[in-house]
Amino acid sequence: DGGITQSPKYLFRKEGQNVTLSCEQNLNHDAMYWYRQDPGQGLRLIYYSQIVNDFQKGDIAEGYSVSREKKESFPLTVTSAQKNPTAFYLCASSIEEYNEQFFGPGTRLTVL
Amino acid sequence: GQNIDQPTEMTATEGAIVQINCTYQTSGFNGLFWYQQHAGEAPTFLSYNVLDGLEEKGRFSSFLSRSKGYSYLLLKELQMKDSASYLCAVLDSNYQLIWGAGTKLIIKP
Repeated sequence: DGGITQSPKYLFRKEGQNVTLSCEQNLNHDAMYWYRQDPGQGLRLIYYSQIVNDFQKGDIAEGYSVSREKKESFPLTVTSAQKNPTAFYLCASSIEEYNEQFFGPGTRLTVL
Repeated sequence: GQNIDQPTEMTATEGAIVQINCTYQTSGFNGLFWYQQHAGEAPTFLSYNVLDGLEEKGRFSSFLSRSKGYSYLLLKELQMKDSASYLCAVLDSNYQLIWGAGTKLIIKP
């Protein structure tokens, strides 16, 4: 079955700790995205990547970092510099940047 | 600035028809998407419009008027499982998706 996986579904961390969220896809998609979703708000783009070894900042990249060493993988690190990291994080991919995006199940991060 | 407006919440009755509106002001336009998102889950793709007019897909239809910056999603024969949030998103001139905040649809028996 092709799809996007994110793990874990729920994650708890102490304030000041970095945490890495995983995102893997076996759809052979070139483009991958990370979004943050807060209650009552639309999805906000953190980072995106159109090709391996290349990525661009989205609207809210501060306090986050990514890597794209393999086509299938696009991990997101939430650093201690992110002031309000508690949120629902969604990873998505698309064949190319203008096609519909397919989403993973999401990771709900809670920073205590 | 770029802006997408949708009603925050709507209520409808099982078996009825509901129309969810979306208006947008973006820098350029390369298409409009509708997604469905059940609570706590990931969004799933419903429809894509790039030309004016109506696209029908089963119980769901989506309409676009580019001159008016307007789209709607029409859901027919509502079922309880249609209770979800419906997200409108516009692909701007840089091929970035601009997302609305979503419309929470509540279906009552």
